[in-house]
Amino acid sequence: EVQLLESGGDLVQPGGSLRLSCAASGFNLINYAMSWVRQAPGKGLEWVSLSSGGGDSTFYVDSVKGRFTVSRDNSKNTLYLHMNSLRADDTAVYYCAIHRVYYCFDHWGQGTLVTVSS
Amino acid sequence: EIVMTQSPATLSVSPGERATLSCRASQSVSSNLAWYQEKPGQAPRLVIYGASTRATGIPARFSGSGSGTEFTLTISSLQSEDFAVYYCQQYSNWPPLTFGGGTKVEIK
Repeated sequence: EVQLLESGGDLVQPGGSLRLSCAASGFNLINYAMSWVRQAPGKGLEWVSLSSGGGDSTFYVDSVKGRFTVSRDNSKNTLYLHMNSLRADDTAVYYCAIHRVYYCFDHWGQGTLVTVSS
Repeated sequence: EIVMTQSPATLSVSPGERATLSCRASQSVSSNLAWYQEKPGQAPRLVIYGASTRATGIPARFSGSGSGTEFTLTISSLQSEDFAVYYCQQYSNWPPLTFGGGTKVEIK
């Protein structure tokens, strides 16, 4: 059974940094592209970043380019999101999701809350 | 960037009735369109991909149609567990992968 477990969400001040983790089980991470998707309070879904299976290709939404970095440790079956220069509008629940069916998000974790506030 | 627009924002339906949700893309996405269901406090769940293929475990009362720029999600007879927010998402031309703003299906 595919399971994704996010962690690392916290309250952080504007300009601060945070690293989110997504521990995967039930499949080999190296075989699949993975994404981070966020949802601000009371808002819709926004794709943030995608990492190819081998991790050699990464993609970002414009609003986080240069501030966020996606990485993975396939030996630990874990995906990461390194977030720098955090802003209030980065406040959201961050989900990791797997792409097993084209580039649909066919399984999601339960999410981790990031709050950026002074 | 392909912009996805969903309508209506809120749909009030009685249990047992049919619900029809719309999604429009700002340019053609062929059949590269997915639908998700989101319930309060839960992660989103894939319902439809390829515009019309039900995901694993999704009941037959859910159906998707359309191609190009116009898409529809139909729930033929709403059950209590179907009241939720539904999002469409295109994966034709990316980055970015883009979602619609969502349609909330509520009990009438």
